[in-house]
Amino acid sequence: EPEVTQTPSHQVTQMGQEVILRCVPISNHLYFYWYRQILGQKVEFLVSFYNNEISEKSEIFDDQFSVERPDGSNFTLKIRSTKLEDSAMYFCASSATSAPEQFFGPGTRLTVL
Amino acid sequence: AQSVSQHNHHVILSEAASLELGCNYSYGGTVNLFWYVQYPGQHLQLLLKYFSGDPLVKGIKGFEAEFIKSKFSFNLRKPSVQWSDTAEYFCAVNAAYGNKLVFGAGTILRVKS
Repeated sequence: EPEVTQTPSHQVTQMGQEVILRCVPISNHLYFYWYRQILGQKVEFLVSFYNNEISEKSEIFDDQFSVERPDGSNFTLKIRSTKLEDSAMYFCASSATSAPEQFFGPGTRLTVL
Repeated sequence: AQSVSQHNHHVILSEAASLELGCNYSYGGTVNLFWYVQYPGQHLQLLLKYFSGDPLVKGIKGFEAEFIKSKFSFNLRKPSVQWSDTAEYFCAVNAAYGNKLVFGAGTILRVKS
């Protein structure tokens, strides 16, 4: 069964550094998403992406965040200058055109020191 | 804004006990409803979904959920839980016009063998 994959599984970085989290969505899916879950809190929507542009973003997704689909398979989330409060589990998800159900990757645990 | 409430944060049951996890959402329009499960060390997996039609939906592993529109509820049930059902369960909603999922806080279920 096709799966969403994410790399790395765990990323440790210093405050102020840039990080790029990578995702490979399911191959025939066209909608891509990033969510995050701070420890002990809800899973929160960050951004959705379709047809090479952002279709919706949350208040969390400020100028420090960007997303890109650099080729036909990868979908990335970049945080330009990480803050301590960016420490969280980041989940990538994808969905097909006709169905709103989203399939999630295993997540990347980001730790900002 | 949409929001999702899950009534219990922790539930402990013995094997063969019946399970009901509550979920209420606030949104006035048409919604799609989901239950996701996250087993220890694994990623979020779709348990079941409701888009339209029969308000009683059946999912994997013997789970079912009932959509009661008048109560804005989508409670998850299983008649007889197993030790392997130990996991965290998330209720999620998206508006029919949009793609982002809004999650509840999650319910951690522990089944004692």
